[in-house]
Amino acid sequence: QSALTQPASVSGSPGQSITISCTGTSSDIGAYNYVSWYQQHPGKAPKLILYLVSDRPSGVSSRFSGSKSGKTASLTISGLQAEDEADYYCSSYTVSTTFVFGGGTKLTVL
Amino acid sequence: QVQLVESGGGVVQPGKSLRLSCAASGFTLSDYAMHWVRQPPGKGLEWVAVISYDGSNSYYSDSVRGRSTISRDNAKNTLYLQVSSLRPEDTAVYYCARPRQTLRWDLPDYWGQGSLVTVSS
Repeated sequence: QSALTQPASVSGSPGQSITISCTGTSSDIGAYNYVSWYQQHPGKAPKLILYLVSDRPSGVSSRFSGSKSGKTASLTISGLQAEDEADYYCSSYTVSTTFVFGGGTKLTVL
Repeated sequence: QVQLVESGGGVVQPGKSLRLSCAASGFTLSDYAMHWVRQPPGKGLEWVAVISYDGSNSYYSDSVRGRSTISRDNAKNTLYLQVSSLRPEDTAVYYCARPRQTLRWDLPDYWGQGSLVTVSS
């Protein structure tokens, strides 16, 4: 049960787009489309922003989008805003009926 | 609206046990599998355990398997996590979380506010 691999940090200026990658294995991301992304602000509980790779829950901005290719999922945030500064985590279901999170990526809006 | 409220955290000595509770409201608990996820201070999220909607099946992370038990009482709308032989590395905020889809295994959607467990002598 190794954690999914995410970059430790990314940054971008307001209005720009950034992409966060999440790499797993053939036993998790590569096996299913059960990939979710979460946003977490300091001291707060995580918030679901994408599920099933690219679906957005009601109320989540269309600036958040997702994709998957093979064993790697990606989160793209377009039109960066100051409020997007947070930690982002990917997560996947696995073939062992367990779940795994990525190590997290800190997004800094410059 | 969906509410999940964890309780039972605190300071515990190494080697001791602890039981966390999660009170659910705003939805029918028996329709959903449920998760526990933890987050050590300043670190990332770690999935801990999941239990099926009816309590008949459960799965654990390698880090807690064999010394943890996830359980539920659907009549009381409550989820539990018991962790024994506590270690300093179990220090974390423990979240209970509900998946998006009913009945099936699915990733967390709604989260509680978390309960801090500190393992220290």
